[in-house]
Amino acid sequence: DTGVSQNPRHKITKRGQNVTFRCDPISEHNRLYWYRQTLGQGPEFLTYFQNEAQLEKSRLLSDRFSAERPKGSFSTLEIQRTEQGDSAMYLCASSFGTATIPSGANVLTFGAGSRLTVL
Amino acid sequence: QKEVEQNSGPLSVPEGAIASLNCTYSDRGSQSFFWYRQYSGKSPELIMFIYSNGDKEDGRFTAQLNKASQYVSLLIRDSQPSDSATYLCAVIIRKAAGNKLTFGGGTRVLVKP
Repeated sequence: DTGVSQNPRHKITKRGQNVTFRCDPISEHNRLYWYRQTLGQGPEFLTYFQNEAQLEKSRLLSDRFSAERPKGSFSTLEIQRTEQGDSAMYLCASSFGTATIPSGANVLTFGAGSRLTVL
Repeated sequence: QKEVEQNSGPLSVPEGAIASLNCTYSDRGSQSFFWYRQYSGKSPELIMFIYSNGDKEDGRFTAQLNKASQYVSLLIRDSQPSDSATYLCAVIIRKAAGNKLTFGGGTRVLVKP
């Protein structure tokens, strides 16, 4: 499978619990993105990595959210002390970009998403 | 003002007709524009991108860009029921912290047989 893989696909949790999502990007892609999407809305940017470096983090990402990409390959997104407002689809995407091919960095391939429901 | 704006729809078109979707954006300096299609319950998939003013055609899809008016559109010719989906416009918005791909809210398209 050469696509972007996300796990778990669905997660139901109680308010206050911690959850972690994993994303495995396309192997040759150096950039990895996390977006959040709620029903009827477009995806909202959360954060992105180039290799293992987290280069940008949205103000949407409160202190309860943390993302890592320790070896520049897979990434995890952890939400601590979940709230009902965290219920959403969490989308991971990857791309390949260099200073000499900037346009390629903008062509994102999305995973199937991880749907979180907080009760 | 939202950074990327689209009519939410639904846009209802008869099979075989042309569907016309519009998108406006706030960053006058944006250079890269994308259209993604998202079926219900699925993740977005790229249809096409456009960087230069004018038209770009790919099969039944045509993207049109007018940077002076900060406007990008997507035409779907010979619409098919399988084209029924939400179409997301995405624009690279320049920020002090770095450029990021910013999505509009999407336009839902319904193609009726």
